[in-house]
Amino acid sequence: GEDVEQSLFLSVREGDSSVINCTYTDSSSTYLYWYKQEPGAGLQLLTYIFSNMDMKQDQRLTVLLNKKDKHLSLRIADTQTGDSAIYFCAETPSGTGGKLIFGQGTELSVKP
Amino acid sequence: EAQVTQNPRYLITVTGKKLTVTCSQNMNHEYMSWYRQDPGLGLRQIYYSMNVEVTDKGDVPEGYKVSRKEKRNFPLILESPSPNQTSLYFCASSPRQGSYGYTFGSGTRLTVV
Repeated sequence: GEDVEQSLFLSVREGDSSVINCTYTDSSSTYLYWYKQEPGAGLQLLTYIFSNMDMKQDQRLTVLLNKKDKHLSLRIADTQTGDSAIYFCAETPSGTGGKLIFGQGTELSVKP
Repeated sequence: EAQVTQNPRYLITVTGKKLTVTCSQNMNHEYMSWYRQDPGLGLRQIYYSMNVEVTDKGDVPEGYKVSRKEKRNFPLILESPSPNQTSLYFCASSPRQGSYGYTFGSGTRLTVV
């Protein structure tokens, strides 16, 4: 079935790198996504990766995709207190009518 | 600015009183959908629409209705709200199903008492 798993919490010091990990079960998705949710706010698309790519870099963000292990990660370089939020990975398996399957979300806490 | 606009942001209502949450996008997207977010249950899809006049059920459609009479609008209708529909609701749109650009609205926090 469709399932996306993430660890629930991550705490880092300001200036360090953060790595948020995600595993998924359905490998039919064309794209995989990372969303950010700040308290009281909506879901902001941070970045996405095409399923035939291994890596995508976008300023401080690096996405790594290991299709063999069905593992997706998001690295945030030079993490700032403003990066504190909940991060969701998501996929859209084929045959689901475009439904986004989300992980439970990883709460990132950045300490000064 | 390209965006998905939901209204209202906050709503407290009583059981059984019909309500509509509006959703509008200005990106000419074909695909729109509704999700609800609940603690411990995550985000679950309620309904989706692949284009005008085409709607289909998601994972948790019971108690909800939708319509897609125009491309830009996709309202969520609760004919007889119940307390178990207290939740945070999000509307999303994308150029087409499964594409790279799912944009979410800011959310509607609904409380049914």
